[in-house]
Amino acid sequence: GAGVSQSPSNKVTEKGKDVELRCDPISGHTALYWYRQSLGQGLEFLIYFQGNSAPDKSGLPSDRFSAERTGGSVSTLTIQRTQQEDSAVYLCASSTGQGQPQHFGDGTRLSIL
Amino acid sequence: RKEVEQDPGPFNVPEGATVAFNCTYSNSASQSFFWYRQDCRKEPKLLMSVYSSGNEDGRFTAQLNRASQYISLLIRDSKLSDSATYLCVVNFYSTLTFGKGTMLLVSP
Repeated sequence: GAGVSQSPSNKVTEKGKDVELRCDPISGHTALYWYRQSLGQGLEFLIYFQGNSAPDKSGLPSDRFSAERTGGSVSTLTIQRTQQEDSAVYLCASSTGQGQPQHFGDGTRLSIL
Repeated sequence: RKEVEQDPGPFNVPEGATVAFNCTYSNSASQSFFWYRQDCRKEPKLLMSVYSSGNEDGRFTAQLNRASQYISLLIRDSKLSDSATYLCVVNFYSTLTFGKGTMLLVSP
């Protein structure tokens, strides 16, 4: 079956622009996570959606970052007024529920010039 | 203290060697545990869950010591294709915390 799908695969943009990253989770997975990974670093948790519950936004690094999940499926991560330190790979994962193994998409490699 | 700690490595081993990775975690109430592997410039992929009684999957054996808050992964008869970064992952309610990973390089 289809895995987690993320788009775009790569995004290069100028500092100060807004970007939107998309994640389409595995069908039937109720939990969706966003992480980012800078070069040579571990995964940094950003935000978690579970069903219709309020998302856990505790990992968002600043108010320039926001995410939504429409209809309990597709999610969009938006970064406003991008900065060079936002350059990283943004990974989306989904799972069947809290505490279950997560399955990752291929990620979006974001480069801010 | 970092929540999940791993030796960053790299561990350089010849084919056929046995190699062990260790991981410690700080939250004693952590509920579930996993090992993931991540190839260079790729996404993490689940390798195996870790159960209290210890579990084995082919050449891979995972063990958990809750009292010591310690997780291990043993790889026997290592293959070139085992070269990757191995991530220790700890779950507490909705949060999965990833270690920074241990890099393994298996050489011919």
